[in-house]
Amino acid sequence: AAGVIQSPRHLIKEKRETATLKCYPIPRHDTVYWYQQGPGQDPQFLISFYEKMQSDKGSIPDRFSAQQFSDYHSELNMSSLELGDSALYFCASSLSRSSGGFQETQYFGPGTRLLVL
Amino acid sequence: AQTVTQSQPEMSVQEAETVTLSCTYDTSESDYYLFWYKQPPSRQMILVIRQEAYKQQNATENRFSVNFQKAAKSFSLKISDSQLGDAAMYFCAYRGNNDMRFGAGTRLTVKP
Repeated sequence: AAGVIQSPRHLIKEKRETATLKCYPIPRHDTVYWYQQGPGQDPQFLISFYEKMQSDKGSIPDRFSAQQFSDYHSELNMSSLELGDSALYFCASSLSRSSGGFQETQYFGPGTRLLVL
Repeated sequence: AQTVTQSQPEMSVQEAETVTLSCTYDTSESDYYLFWYKQPPSRQMILVIRQEAYKQQNATENRFSVNFQKAAKSFSLKISDSQLGDAAMYFCAYRGNNDMRFGAGTRLTVKP
């Protein structure tokens, strides 16, 4: 079965540079979530999109932005990168319920390892 | 805000034995989902099992089962016949009407 695809899988950037992470959800999934997992930490929710609209916002820095496109893929844009942004960034997708938009099980992609030097 | 607590940072089990990982959560919502995710050294997040809060019956997936105590807000994971491949970090997660929250994780070691 098709899974969530993330690209790139690894990324090395310098401080103050920008980075764009891409996520392709499971086919027919309409909701995308972004998480940041620092070394030795649990995943922290950043932001989510449902039907191309932002649905929830977590601990996403103002330097980061994200969007979901018409084909449901999502991009996380990170600017003015800092050393502390080095982490594993997960994208997850789910299929919302037909009513109320209450999303159920989230399926995670393999993650993008970002290293900021 | 919902919080998820995993009080066991590390657990160890002998191969073929049974181990139980604990998870408690705090919420005022009545409708929610609970999950256990496994994160092996590859760091991929793999769904192990899920439980709907409105279901009284405990979820089971092969060697994995949960003990869901809604009143106590407890959601433990039991792994039977432990295998070397079960060694990983296990995260308990809560999903309500907003974002999903994870516990701090329990690192499971399986001894041959």
